[in-house]
Amino acid sequence: AQSVAQPEDQVNVAEGNPLTVKCTYSVSGNPYLFWYVQYPNRGLQFLLKYITGDNLVKGSYGFEAEFNKSQTSFHLKKPSALVSDSALYFCAVRDINLIFGKGTKLSVKP
Amino acid sequence: DAGVIQSPRHEVTEMGQEVTLRCKPISGHNSLFWYRQTMMRGLELLIYFNNNVPIDDSGMPEDRFSAKMPNASFSTLKIQPSEPRDSAVYFCASSLEGSGRAVGELFFGEGSRLTVL
Repeated sequence: AQSVAQPEDQVNVAEGNPLTVKCTYSVSGNPYLFWYVQYPNRGLQFLLKYITGDNLVKGSYGFEAEFNKSQTSFHLKKPSALVSDSALYFCAVRDINLIFGKGTKLSVKP
Repeated sequence: DAGVIQSPRHEVTEMGQEVTLRCKPISGHNSLFWYRQTMMRGLELLIYFNNNVPIDDSGMPEDRFSAKMPNASFSTLKIQPSEPRDSAVYFCASSLEGSGRAVGELFFGEGSRLTVL
């Protein structure tokens, strides 16, 4: 069965520092991978996706993710974190349905 | 575009009562998903419709839960009778999918927060 794992419940970074939110996946065949963000009391918002092509995918709000097939990873990154990036981040894999990881809470301190 | 619209945003009810959650997907989208979010279990897919037909309902917890999509612009999720353990935020999402493998991104509503006392 398709699955994703987010090994960190929470990530803390200082504003202006680079951030990484980790995700590993387990799929049969080629993975279709996604990142979503959820702000408090809101629905999830799409950030970016990897279907095929360039391993570095750029998305909304300056986020990017790197697909690494050998490590079965799809880590979310941003060169310089903002306080407003503080939110819950979900990695997801798609086959018939979209299967989400448990989420990682990102906290960016001034 | 108004996005995915869910109602009610908040519902407080007593155990044993019937609860109906409603969703209006984005116009033109052909797939609709119902998810449930709790602190303990995270995001769980309940049911997935494609072209108004249920494709996967394996996530529906039990017979107390039912979902319908009578047309492309409306879906309901019903819980009867409700129990305290049903308390959660229920999200509806829609997408435009091609034939074969689904690759579109999902657009989520703001959710319906259900509290069963």
